[in-house]
Amino acid sequence: GENVEQHPSTLSVQEGDSAVIKCTYSDSASNYFPWYKQELGKRPQLIIDIRSNVGEKKDQRIAVTLNKTAKHFSLHITETQPEDSAVYFCAADAGGTSYGKLTFGQGTILTVHP
Amino acid sequence: GAGVSQSPSNKVTEKGKDVELRCDPISGHTALYWYRQSLGQGLEFLIYFQGNSAPDKSGLPSDRFSAERTGGSVSTLTIQRTQQEDSAVYLCASSPRGARNTEAFFGQGTRLTVV
Repeated sequence: GENVEQHPSTLSVQEGDSAVIKCTYSDSASNYFPWYKQELGKRPQLIIDIRSNVGEKKDQRIAVTLNKTAKHFSLHITETQPEDSAVYFCAADAGGTSYGKLTFGQGTILTVHP
Repeated sequence: GAGVSQSPSNKVTEKGKDVELRCDPISGHTALYWYRQSLGQGLEFLIYFQGNSAPDKSGLPSDRFSAERTGGSVSTLTIQRTQQEDSAVYLCASSPRGARNTEAFFGQGTRLTVV
């Protein structure tokens, strides 16, 4: 089955700096890679996703890059703000008989210091 | 409803008792997922329902765990003979049409505490 590894587990930055979180996956049939943000005590919510037919996608201060050959994708947050502090999860979907199944990385606790 | 609904929000049970956790997905969503999140940990996959296909149960940690989805809508996760290590937040999510490349929407979770 799919295995998703996420690094780092914790990340601390100063307000205004950039933050980068990286994930690798194992299933070459994966073609959908969402990123979720989970604030303390709340449910995970989608912030951005990328499909395998593109290498990069940007939405304001958030961008995601995908390298299918190397099986890794990354989340980039620029001009970080204190409200970006949360746990971020990457995920990859599955092919085959469990197509659509999402496997998540272990999460990254991002802390943005004012 | 507007989103994925889970009940109860909180459940405290004694060790050895059985519990049932309920998930009402968004209407029309054919894919439904259960995940477990222990304190400060990641999203551990438990089970995945995809339309009328056989569910992917590969994440269930033991035979004390089971889940069903009736009529392609509501799902119930049952934990028999609960143990303290079962204490966690159980999250349900659903996605539309069961197709790939679609967002999964999460419920607010059920916080289970086994004492």
